[in-house]
Amino acid sequence: LAKTTQPISMDSYEGQEVNITCSHNNIATNDYITWYQQFPSQGPRFIIQGYKTKVTNEVASLFIPADRKSSTLSLPRVSLSDTAVYYCLVMDSNYQLIWGAGTKLIIKP
Amino acid sequence: DGGITQSPKYLFRKEGQNVTLSCEQNLNHDAMYWYRQDPGQGLRLIYYSQIVNDFQKGDIAEGYSVSREKKESFPLTVTSAQKNPTAFYLCASTPYLGANEKLFFGSGTQLSVL
Repeated sequence: LAKTTQPISMDSYEGQEVNITCSHNNIATNDYITWYQQFPSQGPRFIIQGYKTKVTNEVASLFIPADRKSSTLSLPRVSLSDTAVYYCLVMDSNYQLIWGAGTKLIIKP
Repeated sequence: DGGITQSPKYLFRKEGQNVTLSCEQNLNHDAMYWYRQDPGQGLRLIYYSQIVNDFQKGDIAEGYSVSREKKESFPLTVTSAQKNPTAFYLCASTPYLGANEKLFFGSGTQLSVL
């Protein structure tokens, strides 16, 4: 059974780079790893998705090692508006979506 | 714009009452999901549907029921059997089941007990 593990919370300061790592075992071999951002009283919002190595878009980068047992979301030069909860999402071998418990990121001035 | 609409935003339930949460999507997605989120917690799957007239229980289905009579609609009923219904409920969709495609979420319904 697939399981994901993320840090419960993290603090950083404006302008810094923040890296959040999710550990995940027994995930489907041919599916994506996805990260979402959630603000209070809103639905999660897609940030980035990748299969292996490195993916970059306009808001984040995602690093996935060859064994795919973890992934690291990298947020460059964070601002106060990046304060949110971040979730990793994977799929297990039974095609069930497995959510991490979420990492509460607090950005300080 | 395509998306998912949940209503109402806030809902109050009395003891012994059933309440229904609405979820409508115009994305032409086959798969739809209902999640429950408690304060400070992650998402837990209640029910999911991969196609019209088909749905499956998730991890915490007890006290809930769903229907999928139309592709666009996947309403969730919180029954009186659900003794602790206070939570934030989220509806989501993907093009098809088994696709770890980008999940589209609605804006959620906060359910509270009077």
